Amino acid sequence: EDQVTQSPEALRLQEGESSSLNCSYTVSGLRGLFWYRQDPGKGPEFLFTLYSAGEEKEKERLKATLTKKESFLHITAPKPEDSATYLCAVMRNSGNTPLVFGKGTRLSVIA
Amino acid sequence: NAGVTQTPKFRVLKTGQSMTLLCAQDMNHEYMYWYRQDPGMGLRLIHYSVGEGTTAKGEVPDGYNVSRLKKQNFLLGLESAAPSQTSVYFCASSRQRIISGNTIYFGEGSWLTVV
Repeated sequence: EDQVTQSPEALRLQEGESSSLNCSYTVSGLRGLFWYRQDPGKGPEFLFTLYSAGEEKEKERLKATLTKKESFLHITAPKPEDSATYLCAVMRNSGNTPLVFGKGTRLSVIA
Repeated sequence: NAGVTQTPKFRVLKTGQSMTLLCAQDMNHEYMYWYRQDPGMGLRLIHYSVGEGTTAKGEVPDGYNVSRLKKQNFLLGLESAAPSQTSVYFCASSRQRIISGNTIYFGEGSWLTVV
């Protein structure tokens, strides 16, 4: 059974204090790992897709990396507007199976 | 530039009542999904569709039915609502082949309370 575990559940940072969010996964044949941002009262918004171990993607203050067992979302010098819930999801490499999501990490960045 | 639109956005039901959530997408996507999101549980897949006229069960299908009569619409029905179905429901759609970049586009959510 595919599983996605995100840690920590919640993270509180001071503005400018860099940190990382973790997403560990078990899936039989990874087709892709996805990061989404979700603001309160909104649907998830796409951030990154990673396909193979060693791959990295960057967007502004965010950088996602992937290994064979986990992915990290690094946040460099965060700002209050980075406060959101960050969701990780995986897709299996067989057929067109839907994404399996983790429970998310709720990030709060304090000015 | 609508993307994925869900209606209604908010609804309060009494136990035993029925209702239908409508999802419409204007991106000509083949695949559509219904997820529910509960505190501490993340997004869980209810049902999905890989094309017009098809449906399939997801992780938590009990108590729900779906229909995909038109490619652009995916309906989620609750025949006899229960308090356990109080949740936020998200519809999503994607291209047939997920190759790169953005994959799944989500709607804004529908807040359902069953009393």
